[in-house]
Amino acid sequence: AQTVTQSQPEMSVQEAETVTLSCTYDTSENNYYLFWYKQPPSRQMILVIRQEAYKQQNATENRFSVNFQKAAKSFSLKISDSQLGDTAMYFCAFITRNDMRFGAGTRLTVKP
Amino acid sequence: EAQVTQNPRYLITVTGKKLTVTCSQNMNHEYMSWYRQDPGLGLRQIYYSMNVEVTDKGDVPEGYKVSRKEKRNFPLILESPSPNQTSLYFCASSPGAPSRLLHFGNGTRLTVT
Repeated sequence: AQTVTQSQPEMSVQEAETVTLSCTYDTSENNYYLFWYKQPPSRQMILVIRQEAYKQQNATENRFSVNFQKAAKSFSLKISDSQLGDTAMYFCAFITRNDMRFGAGTRLTVKP
Repeated sequence: EAQVTQNPRYLITVTGKKLTVTCSQNMNHEYMSWYRQDPGLGLRQIYYSMNVEVTDKGDVPEGYKVSRKEKRNFPLILESPSPNQTSLYFCASSPGAPSRLLHFGNGTRLTVT
């Protein structure tokens, strides 16, 4: 069975600091995609970043970057220069063919 | 504006009373799907559809039905809701394969008493 594990239910970080959210997954597939989604209190699901498994280069989007370790099946999200608006639930997700799996989420609080 | 529209946003109902949550997208997307979100469990896929008249079960399909008679609409039907279906529901769509950008609706908070 394919699974996604986020081992940190809650995290906090000071404004302007850097924080890393962890995610591991398990699959026997070789072709898949990985995502991080942000869910603010408005409950809207917002795509933060996307990584294709066949690409070795780590994806980056402004202050957001990932550390993709395919052999270790690890996909962590680094948020640099944290802002108050980054306070949200973050979900790691994995998809292969039509099977999409989400982790349980990490609630991130950015403190002023 | 390109969007996925879910209705209603909030719904409170009683056990056994049939209900439908509507989902509509205006982006001509082939792929549509439904998820439920529960604390500690993240989002779990209920059903998905690769195109019109094609639907498949996800991880937690029991107690739910869907239909895809038109490309833009993908309603979620609870024939006889039970309290364990109290949850936050999301509809999503994507052009082609879901590995592309998945557009989510704003969610429906369902409470079954």
